[in-house]
Amino acid sequence: RKEVEQDPGPFNVPEGATVAFNCTYSNSASQSFFWYRQDCRKEPKLLMSVYSSGNEDGRFTAQLNRASQYISLLIRDSKLSDSATYLCVVNPFTGGGNKLTFGTGTQLKVEL
Amino acid sequence: EAQVTQNPRYLITVTGKKLTVTCSQNMNHEYMSWYRQDPGLGLRQIYYSMNVEVTDKGDVPEGYKVSRKEKRNFPLILESPSPNQTSLYFCASTLESSPAFFGQGTRLTVV
Repeated sequence: RKEVEQDPGPFNVPEGATVAFNCTYSNSASQSFFWYRQDCRKEPKLLMSVYSSGNEDGRFTAQLNRASQYISLLIRDSKLSDSATYLCVVNPFTGGGNKLTFGTGTQLKVEL
Repeated sequence: EAQVTQNPRYLITVTGKKLTVTCSQNMNHEYMSWYRQDPGLGLRQIYYSMNVEVTDKGDVPEGYKVSRKEKRNFPLILESPSPNQTSLYFCASTLESSPAFFGQGTRLTVV
């Protein structure tokens, strides 16, 4: 089983739609969780951190479910500019280092 | 401006010719890492460093070397590149348990 699993997509949605991505992780001791955005062949950029209580940043909402070991990202009112690959990232943080583990990404295509 | 700088951005080389990809960060971060990204496999960690002179293997270290003589620099060395090392490489830096900042990437082709 992969340490971090995501549905690769692509998710093709019309502009204005709401879309949700899920990501599961295998290490129950994982401490830090993030969503990154990556545009075609460019560097990943932090979209948002994911906190235990859930957090929102504009049209984006992230949630963490430790019991089921998954995190989610909800995008409301999708824009054409949201088209990208979204990477789920987990830090196992086994007590001495920073070893981010990446999912393979979910591709989103927002269409007119 | 806070940033991670990689050089070169693009490189085509021949099998067996040693090369170095440089990485420098100006944020005084302790942790630095190298990743490679291949289609369908996502980002995989090659090596990481927790501080000066402290490095450790990631998930795919074979064929690579690193050094961390200064906090800001973390070069990736391919002593004898092979075609299966053709990939997109990213350097990243971070503080412990914090999000990582990535360089712009180095697209390497080994022929």
